[in-house]
Amino acid sequence: ETGVTQTPRHLVMGMTNKKSLKCEQHLGHNAMYWYKQSAKKPLELMFVYSLEERVENNSVPSRFSPECPNSSHLFLHLHTLQPEDSALYLCASSPGLAGSYEQYFGPGTRLTVT
Amino acid sequence: GQQVMQIPQYQHVQEGEDFTTYCNSSTTLSNIQWYKQRPGGHPVFLIQLVKSGEVKKQKRLTFQFGEAKKNSSLHITATQTTDVGTYFCAGSVGQNFVFGPGTRLSVLP
Repeated sequence: ETGVTQTPRHLVMGMTNKKSLKCEQHLGHNAMYWYKQSAKKPLELMFVYSLEERVENNSVPSRFSPECPNSSHLFLHLHTLQPEDSALYLCASSPGLAGSYEQYFGPGTRLTVT
Repeated sequence: GQQVMQIPQYQHVQEGEDFTTYCNSSTTLSNIQWYKQRPGGHPVFLIQLVKSGEVKKQKRLTFQFGEAKKNSSLHITATQTTDVGTYFCAGSVGQNFVFGPGTRLSVLP
């Protein structure tokens, strides 16, 4: 499946680095999401964008900063992360907001914070 | 807040045996979705249930939505090694959409 792509697929960064994760959807969807998946916790919804406007921010630390320049692209800017932020970061999109529509996930970015 | 729970957390079965995972919510759900994530992969949408008491089938998979719309189940008949993975339910209350913790299925050949 190439409907939702994510880059990079793997990222190792130090706690003082700044990096960005990129997500692109080729499905013509209106909503995009960032999830965090770690071994200890289920899929944690981080941010939701609908028609390029943020509609949900689930108490995510400010060291994570999302950006949605258009309906096809979503970024997650990272700075001064902590080791506990190491996880799989998944991007997803759906035709409309989740709940009524299925979500299509990208392959994820495996992030390791050293 | 809204919680969606799943049991069991893990299930090991012999190939050919049946498998069931249960999803329970503390609140009434507008609908429920099921996803499968293969090891090393990403969640893939399987199905959505909307109506109270709804039952849907996909080949060897049977999905049910409870009458009270607070629980759901996924049953796999005669498991195969290709069924290995983690099965997630996800439910919505209004605009709140929450994934359960998942049930990890192992199938021994």
